[in-house]
Amino acid sequence: DGGITQSPKYLFRKEGQNVTLSCEQNLNHDAMYWYRQDPGQGLRLIYYSQIVNDFQKGDIAEGYSVSREKKESFPLTVTSAQKNPTAFYLCASSKTGEWISTEAFFGQGTRLTVV
Amino acid sequence: SQQGEEDPQALSIQEGENATMNCSYKTSINNLQWYRQNSGRGLVHLILIRSNEREKHSGRLRVTLDTSKKSSSLLITASRAADTASYFCAVVRGSTLGRLYFGRGTQLTVWP
Repeated sequence: DGGITQSPKYLFRKEGQNVTLSCEQNLNHDAMYWYRQDPGQGLRLIYYSQIVNDFQKGDIAEGYSVSREKKESFPLTVTSAQKNPTAFYLCASSKTGEWISTEAFFGQGTRLTVV
Repeated sequence: SQQGEEDPQALSIQEGENATMNCSYKTSINNLQWYRQNSGRGLVHLILIRSNEREKHSGRLRVTLDTSKKSSSLLITASRAADTASYFCAVVRGSTLGRLYFGRGTQLTVWP
């Protein structure tokens, strides 16, 4: 089945540690995105990538880093510089980054908790 | 704000009733999309309406778009308990590639 897979589903991090969230898609989509969702809030864009080896900062990129070495994969690292990392993280992909007539496909999310 | 803003924040109805959610935005858009999110899960795309369209249907869903008022509405007819979820609108600005701006969502609860 084609889809987008995030792992792990739950992740606990000690303060001061970096953690990496995995996102893999087999939809052959060019564009991939990372969003953060806080309780009662909408989704805020962290980073996005429209093509392999290229990515752009979203609205809340500070304290996060990404890579896009393969079309299928777009891992997100939450660094120790992110002061309030506890949140629900959602990865998405779309055919292109142009959004003209395309929809986003989302993974099931990773819930990150700082302990 | 560039993002869509849904209204109401929460809606509680009985099965069989219709549910209407509204979305307002402030900038010109290329298209507007509606998504559904079950608790603790990812979002699922429901419907996309382009700026030159006024109404679209998909099964029990009806979406309208009024660009002069910068607003959209999502109507779910004959609601079922399984429709219980959060519903988000997201806007796409024609000038900003790769950006999908989400509102805070409407939490819909359908009681059996």
